Amino acid sequence: GAGVSQSPSNKVTEKGKDVELRCDPISGHTALYWYRQSLGQGLEFLIYFQGNSAPDKSGLPSDRFSAERTGGSVSTLTIQRTQQEDSAVYLCASSRRAGPQPYNEQFFGPGTRLTVL
Amino acid sequence: AQKVTQAQTEISVVEKEDVTLDCVYETRDTTYYLFWYKQPPSGELVFLIRRNSFDEQNEISGRYSWNFQKSTSSFNFTITASQVVDSAVYFCALTRGGNYGQNFVFGPGTRLSVLP
Repeated sequence: GAGVSQSPSNKVTEKGKDVELRCDPISGHTALYWYRQSLGQGLEFLIYFQGNSAPDKSGLPSDRFSAERTGGSVSTLTIQRTQQEDSAVYLCASSRRAGPQPYNEQFFGPGTRLTVL
Repeated sequence: AQKVTQAQTEISVVEKEDVTLDCVYETRDTTYYLFWYKQPPSGELVFLIRRNSFDEQNEISGRYSWNFQKSTSSFNFTITASQVVDSAVYFCALTRGGNYGQNFVFGPGTRLSVLP
């Protein structure tokens, strides 16, 4: 299928290590979103990209979090010096364009479950 | 600030019962959009419906129906004749309209268990 894919599906790391999470959006989708879902919680918006630019980084919880997108396609979310509170499922979504207009619904990937020991 | 509340943390029903999932939102915007997503045990969120703030017509899609009431800032979701496959976590979400509609605010979700 041609859905949103994320890798790895699971990541266990030690506190203080850096991790990179990858998202491959649906081909042709220009908008890409990152969310975090902590255990038993709703989704927390982190950042979104329109093309390669990130107009809204307001959701990034600290300066240890960064994200980039190259070629208007693949995006990488990097967490530096991981902490135990970073443990969560990180979800990526893409849409044809940014914004809630019709036909711009977000398609979600399966997520990356990050566990920080 | 925008906020979405789903007061029901968990609901259990027996198959074929009707069930309503509540969603109450807060926003100062006049133009906004509301969404429902389903997250089955497999984990991937599935889009169910989008409503804009100017369209208060209720919508029905098969066994699913949505009741949008601006007067009470609610966007409730009803599943008629529930089935085991409806078991999932359901999220209500809100976003601003226009060029600002990128930051989706999700509610905490309601876990629905449909028992056979």
